[in-house]
Amino acid sequence: DGGITQSPKYLFRKEGQNVTLSCEQNLNHDAMYWYRQDPGQGLRLIYYSQIVNDFQKGDIAEGYSVSREKKESFPLTVTSAQKNPTAFYLCASSATGSEKLFFGSGTQLSVL
Amino acid sequence: AQSVSQHNHHVILSEAASLELGCNYSYGGTVNLFWYVQYPGQHLQLLLKYFSGDPLVKGIKGFEAEFIKSKFSFNLRKPSVQWSDTAEYFCATRPTDSWGKLQFGAGTQVVVTP
Repeated sequence: DGGITQSPKYLFRKEGQNVTLSCEQNLNHDAMYWYRQDPGQGLRLIYYSQIVNDFQKGDIAEGYSVSREKKESFPLTVTSAQKNPTAFYLCASSATGSEKLFFGSGTQLSVL
Repeated sequence: AQSVSQHNHHVILSEAASLELGCNYSYGGTVNLFWYVQYPGQHLQLLLKYFSGDPLVKGIKGFEAEFIKSKFSFNLRKPSVQWSDTAEYFCATRPTDSWGKLQFGAGTQVVVTP
């Protein structure tokens, strides 16, 4: 069953802690994306990657880091520098040059 | 800078009523335009898109959208809604010279009552 898998579904972070959100896809897509969704603000682009070993900052990259060592995986680390990390995080992927994004089911991150 | 503005955050209407959701964007160059939809409990999915040509585009489930360049708008319409159209609708834009930067509006929650 092809798709995007995000884990965990819920994640809690302590103050000063880094946490990593997982995103895996088996759609053979080259491009992957991370969005943050806050109530009333829609989806904001954090990072995106067009190809393995390459990624670019989106609009709100500060306090986040990513890696793209494998085509299937695009993990997002929320660092302690991100002062307001509580949000719903969505991962997506698309075929090269395609406008059609496929989204995962999301991870809700909360700060303890 | 690129931005997308959706006019309404919540819309409630009865079945068979007509729906129009406003979307305006700002960007110094050329953009591609999209509407995405998220039904309750489901993932976001593409509803329709505009790249070029006929400014009136038709998508799935009877939805259509009209690109008006002079108004920087891409409003979504459906002549007669059904209860199953209850969902959150997101307008999105992407610069033609930076295909990775798909930017979304805040979304409009649409509730259709029987």
